[in-house]
Amino acid sequence: KAGVTQTPRYLIKTRGQQVTLSCSPISGHRSVSWYQQTPGQGLQFLFEYFSETQRNKGNFPGRFSGRQFSNSRSEMNVSTLELGDSALYLCASSPWTGGNTIYFGEGSWLTVV
Amino acid sequence: DAKTTQPPSMDCAEGRAANLPCNHSTISGNEYVYWYRQIHSQGPQYIIHGLKNNETNEMASLIITEDRKSSTLILPHATLRDTAVYYCIVRVNNAGNMLTFGGGTRLMVKP
Repeated sequence: KAGVTQTPRYLIKTRGQQVTLSCSPISGHRSVSWYQQTPGQGLQFLFEYFSETQRNKGNFPGRFSGRQFSNSRSEMNVSTLELGDSALYLCASSPWTGGNTIYFGEGSWLTVV
Repeated sequence: DAKTTQPPSMDCAEGRAANLPCNHSTISGNEYVYWYRQIHSQGPQYIIHGLKNNETNEMASLIITEDRKSSTLILPHATLRDTAVYYCIVRVNNAGNMLTFGGGTRLMVKP
């Protein structure tokens, strides 16, 4: 069974641009959550989607947004990029929202210059 | 979710057991203990979880104290590939899929 797939794996953007990252969950998983990892702040929860609805949201500005499609695939978007948005963005999936193990993808490395 | 405390780093000799402690003294009765590890530049990998009984799988064993205020992850025969950051997380299983990561323990397995 394929794991959580994230694309692209690496990307470089310029300040002020926007970026969209994509995540395909494990087959049959309906919950997708996103995390940001930076050397200074560690791993931080961004948001969770289940059945195309945002269920939980971390403490991030409105520039960070996401959505989930009917096939459970998810995208996250960061607008007006700042240097501090350079990070590893991780997607994780689970069969349900709560009560099941969460599995992570390999992440998308974003560098903002 | 309850806060966890882990030592920032540990060393272990290859082939020996690695015992990684975690303190979660404010854990609630419905919170599970989860362990993940992250090998450099990769996504976190699920290892094991438990509520109050000890658990074992093909990767590791989880020992939870009777009062549930602490736990130990045991890698029975550490290899160089077990070098990673290990995260202990406590989580209410029916409250969404938000995991709160602390700093973890950086385990270095040495030949």
